Amino acid sequence: ETGVTQTPRHLVMGMTNKKSLKCEQHLGHNAMYWYKQSAKKPLELMFVYSLEERVENNSVPSRFSPECPNSSHLFLHLHTLQPEDSALYLCASSQERGTEAFFGQGTRLTVV
Amino acid sequence: DQQVKQNSPSLSVQEGRISILNCDYTNSMFDYFLWYKKYPAEGPTFLISISSIKDKNEDGRFTVFLNKSAKHLSLHIVPSQPGDSAVYFCAASAMMSGGSNYKLTFGKGTLLTVNP
Repeated sequence: ETGVTQTPRHLVMGMTNKKSLKCEQHLGHNAMYWYKQSAKKPLELMFVYSLEERVENNSVPSRFSPECPNSSHLFLHLHTLQPEDSALYLCASSQERGTEAFFGQGTRLTVV
Repeated sequence: DQQVKQNSPSLSVQEGRISILNCDYTNSMFDYFLWYKKYPAEGPTFLISISSIKDKNEDGRFTVFLNKSAKHLSLHIVPSQPGDSAVYFCAASAMMSGGSNYKLTFGKGTLLTVNP
């Protein structure tokens, strides 16, 4: 139990589908993040939420839409994705001013 | 431009020997460095960290060394065990600079294989 739970673990979706990734943390952290890991690339930070407010959006295409309804939950809504969006999507959380981020197990997304 | 570089994509060592994983960075604002370990199909797990006011931090079999002048850090694992086989990510942040002090910049990772 890492304290950060992501669902689903695997997702296959068509380019016209709409789906959502869910992340939940039970660590009492104030900051939550979405990262993308593609093959042979560094982990890419997508979005940062601090106290439920989005504080960073790293030039992510609008087909990715995050939502943070409260400090324990984070969603990533997906629509009209492209095959190159296939990757491992990782959620993480940390104390607001800490940098030891705790990661979930990730969602392996395949866009067909 | 990659600000955190792990130039060795893979490393293979014998059980019981020392594993040395290297990481270089270019951003002089980075003042806090972390190592994460990742098994297949799992998220990265925090391993050890070091702030720029130190040059060494030790935790059991794991030691991280920081050379600020060379903008280089390394992770030493001794003795290496087969269960240490995983991808190791180096990460850095500008913790003291304010603003986005929780933002981590990751390297591409190094796959460590410890052979029995």
